[in-house]
Amino acid sequence: AAGVIQSPRHLIKEKRETATLKCYPIPRHDTVYWYQQGPGQDPQFLISFYEKMQSDKGSIPDRFSAQQFSDYHSELNMSSLELGDSALYFCASSQRGGRGRDGYTFGSGTRLTVV
Amino acid sequence: KNEVEQSPQNLTAQEGEFITINCSYSVGISALHWLQQHPGGGIVSLFMLSSGKKKHGRLIATINIQEKHSSLHITASHPRDSAVYICAVSPIYNTDKLIFGTGTRLQVFP
Repeated sequence: AAGVIQSPRHLIKEKRETATLKCYPIPRHDTVYWYQQGPGQDPQFLISFYEKMQSDKGSIPDRFSAQQFSDYHSELNMSSLELGDSALYFCASSQRGGRGRDGYTFGSGTRLTVV
Repeated sequence: KNEVEQSPQNLTAQEGEFITINCSYSVGISALHWLQQHPGGGIVSLFMLSSGKKKHGRLIATINIQEKHSSLHITASHPRDSAVYICAVSPIYNTDKLIFGTGTRLQVFP
């Protein structure tokens, strides 16, 4: 079965550079969530999109932005990268609010290292 | 105080042992999720529960809505079960969101 696809799997950037992370939800899922997980930390909710509109916002820095496209894939754009942005960024998809039969499906994550 | 708490934080076991991981939460929920995260980061959804009990292979998850408590059991544990197990809830006040517990790191030795 198709899963949530994230690209790239690994990314190394220098301070002050920009990065774009992509997330492709599974078919039928209309909601995408982005999470940031620092080393040894709980996942922290960043932002979510439902039907291409932002549905909720968490602890996402102003240097980050995201959007969901007409094919439901989502991109997380990160600018002026800082060392503290080094983390695992994973996305999840669901039918609205995870209430669908499938619940949430998670991607494998993009590991971002800022040097 | 975190809205979702797990215990224990770390757990070691010998292969074949029965394992229990507990999750307590303080908010009203629409669903509770048990997730497995292997080294390297990938998260797999194990169960989504809103009541009762679910079983999948050697894994059993139970939830008591009145007591705001859930348990994940692993029968006949195996070294490949070694991972971080995370409890996450969808709160009623925002069902789009997941609130994660701090995770339980399980190591099963042969």
